[in-house]
Amino acid sequence: GAVVSQHPSWVICKSGTSVKIECRSLDFQATTMFWYRQFPKQSLMLMATSNEGSKATYEQGVEKDKFLINHASLTLSTLTVTSAHPEDSSFYICSADRVGIQYFGAGTRLSVL
Amino acid sequence: EDKVVQSPLSLVVHEGDTVTLNCSYEVTNFRSLLWYKQEKKAPTFLFMLTSSGIEKKSGRLSSILDKKELFSILNITATQTGDSAIYLCAVDGSSNTGKLIFGQGTTLQVKP
Repeated sequence: GAVVSQHPSWVICKSGTSVKIECRSLDFQATTMFWYRQFPKQSLMLMATSNEGSKATYEQGVEKDKFLINHASLTLSTLTVTSAHPEDSSFYICSADRVGIQYFGAGTRLSVL
Repeated sequence: EDKVVQSPLSLVVHEGDTVTLNCSYEVTNFRSLLWYKQEKKAPTFLFMLTSSGIEKKSGRLSSILDKKELFSILNITATQTGDSAIYLCAVDGSSNTGKLIFGQGTTLQVKP
């Protein structure tokens, strides 16, 4: 149990375009999901907390207009990187909270050309 | 400021060795400490610890928490090459938001 699916696993896009990443909890409902960014050889950096039915809570320094988060149901949260630029290239990982344990998706590698 | 510090940052051992990974923390409202293993992709959950002195065990891995001294250890006995990974320690000190504070991770390499 406690499976989190993240899609796509890898995406390449042109600078200026938008990219949507989906995070689904497959076998449990998650009121709260989290979005992280990870740079090479570094730990996870929390970007935002996604709460079902309400606005996301963004960490300091994360632009909410650039990283749009929607948590429309108890099993799905989406992260949209708007007007992506090469500096947005990174590994993005979501997690879903189940009784205090975060279960992670497999991550999405975003490459912006 | 809440923080989680892991040591060592990297470790190289040979198959069959036993390793101990350390995690110390300073948080205002401790709720739990979690250990994750990260290979090429996203972290997989290992243990969640909330009470001092109670060992959690899964196969060759075990972990224990000391809430007085504010640290936890993760032990791996009879290491195998498949144990090579980054081990992440995270603390929920969140006052009910569920946010985790991650340590820098320990990179473990197990040589044949």
